[in-house]
Amino acid sequence: DGGITQSPKYLFRKEGQNVTLSCEQNLNHDAMYWYRQDPGQGLRLIYYSQIVNDFQKGDIAEGYSVSREKKESFPLTVTSAQKNPTAFYLCASSPREGTNEKLFFGSGTQLSVL
Amino acid sequence: GQQVMQIPQYQHVQEGEDFTTYCNSSTTLSNIQWYKQRPGGHPVFLIQLVKSGEVKKQKRLTFQFGEAKKNSSLHITATQTTDVGTYFCAGPTTGNQFYFGTGTSLTVIP
Repeated sequence: DGGITQSPKYLFRKEGQNVTLSCEQNLNHDAMYWYRQDPGQGLRLIYYSQIVNDFQKGDIAEGYSVSREKKESFPLTVTSAQKNPTAFYLCASSPREGTNEKLFFGSGTQLSVL
Repeated sequence: GQQVMQIPQYQHVQEGEDFTTYCNSSTTLSNIQWYKQRPGGHPVFLIQLVKSGEVKKQKRLTFQFGEAKKNSSLHITATQTTDVGTYFCAGPTTGNQFYFGTGTSLTVIP
């Protein structure tokens, strides 16, 4: 069954803690994205990657880090520098980078601060 | 910077009534996409519009791209409870990434 898998579904972060959100895809897509969704707001781009071992900052990259060591995987780390991390995090992929491609989204991770 | 404004933010309709959401951009868009997110779910691609004045239909959903390619609309005829969710438009930024509108949350009252 092809698609994008995000885990965990729910995650709690303590003060000063780094947490990592997992995103795996078996669609053989080159491009992967991380979005943050807050109530009443649209999706905001955190980071994106067009190819393995390469990634770029989106609009709200501060306090986040990513890696792209494998084509299938694009984990997002929410660092302690992110002071307001509570949000719904969505990972997405597309066959290639660019806005002529449609995005396929994972089911999301809800991150909350304890 | 690039912004796509979407209105209204919320819409409540009686089942069977029509519904429309609008997206507006200050700059010309090369294309626009629409996504639907069910409550508790993730966005799912609905359609992409590319041509000026383009109109596409999917059953009860009608999508339009303005002549100037600066605005778009999604119209649902005779809403059903299965239409509940948030509808997002997404346009390309100058960096060729997607910029999502704030979404319109649709509630359908049976």
